[in-house]
Amino acid sequence: GAVVSQHPSWVICKSGTSVKIECRSLDFQATTMFWYRQFPKQSLMLMATSNEGSKATYEQGVEKDKFLINHASLTLSTLTVTSAHPEDSSFYICSALNRLAEGRVEYFGPGTRLTVL
Amino acid sequence: QKEVEQNSGPLSVPEGAIASLNCTYSDRGSQSFFWYRQYSGKSPELIMSIYSNGDKEDGRFTAQLNKASQYVSLLIRDSQPSDSATYLCAVFNDYKLSFGAGTTVTVRA
Repeated sequence: GAVVSQHPSWVICKSGTSVKIECRSLDFQATTMFWYRQFPKQSLMLMATSNEGSKATYEQGVEKDKFLINHASLTLSTLTVTSAHPEDSSFYICSALNRLAEGRVEYFGPGTRLTVL
Repeated sequence: QKEVEQNSGPLSVPEGAIASLNCTYSDRGSQSFFWYRQYSGKSPELIMSIYSNGDKEDGRFTAQLNKASQYVSLLIRDSQPSDSATYLCAVFNDYKLSFGAGTTVTVRA
């Protein structure tokens, strides 16, 4: 299957700082990427849809000024958690959409575990 | 009504047996269907994708799709302890994936 990478895989930061997470599609171009958050024992929650060259589309209840998304190229999207607080501690997972001949397929990155102290 | 529903778990099967997972969805216009496997603490990994009615086999995995019944299933043959994970049914609606709550499978050695 296609490969999507994320960096860093884990990060610990102090409350009030900003954290940037990178998501890359390594072997295909992705005009659309997605950012999810997953809390322990819960399902994935879609935060936003990232489209190359345009503004991200945020799901209801997700603060766009707190979670900044940039999709500057066909292989890279970044999520910046600004002024992070302990309640932002979570598992952040990106995915990239690949359009194959038979249909669309979404591949997930390995995730970034954020801990805010 | 939830968009995607999976049979409640957890599901425990002996090694070598068949594990059967079921999923129903509400949007009749859905066109793309997926099964993802998620190990504890890891991100989802694509197991199967299916787009047309019928069966699709890949190794020990078989996905079945019945659009008229709005039903998707996954069979895992010759289950191995390494198959122990949470399996997520996902349906592509509009612009995003809708996930079921997941079924946790435990394969007993």
